[in-house]
Amino acid sequence: NAGVTQTPKFQVLKTGQSMTLQCAQDMNHNSMYWYRQDPGMGLRLIYYSASEGTTDKGEVPNGYNVSRLNKREFSLRLESAAPSQTSVYFCASSGTGSSTEIFGNGTRLTVT
Amino acid sequence: GQQVMQIPQYQHVQEGEDFTTYCNSSTTLSNIQWYKQRPGGHPVFLIQLVKSGEVKKQKRLTFQFGEAKKNSSLHITATQTTDVGTYFCAVLTGGGNKLTFGTGTQLKVEL
Repeated sequence: NAGVTQTPKFQVLKTGQSMTLQCAQDMNHNSMYWYRQDPGMGLRLIYYSASEGTTDKGEVPNGYNVSRLNKREFSLRLESAAPSQTSVYFCASSGTGSSTEIFGNGTRLTVT
Repeated sequence: GQQVMQIPQYQHVQEGEDFTTYCNSSTTLSNIQWYKQRPGGHPVFLIQLVKSGEVKKQKRLTFQFGEAKKNSSLHITATQTTDVGTYFCAVLTGGGNKLTFGTGTQLKVEL
């Protein structure tokens, strides 16, 4: 099915471990986004990529890095995970001329 | 940066009652979008409003954009258990490159 695919769906890390969250879209969208969602905080933008080859910081970029590998893929890396990064992470994309976003199913990350 | 206030944070209704959530901005908006997130799910786009005073309907859902384009509302008539979830408004920021989401209104519907 067309859409945004995120992997993994669940992950448990120990403090200090690293991992990469993967995101891919097959809708030929230019823009891609990474959000984190915490109870009572809504969706907060971590990083986004307005087009292939560009990335920009969002509201809460500290502790994260991103790579826009190609037009389809946008990955989020945690170099040294901290308990404060326990959250649900969503990837989203939007097409040219449209600001409406299509979301993936999310990755539920727990850092102990 | 752009801040969007959404109220109420929670709403608990009996099935059949109406429900309204409000989204307010201190600045004039170019447009506003609404999303719904079911429990355990991901946000799903519902609608976009662009024009001052615009009203759009989707079955029992009515969306309004304020005349000054600084506020918006989502009204659900005669709620059903399928309406359960969190409703978010979102506005364009960063020169139109990204969205800022409101904190959401969590709706619970009791039988």
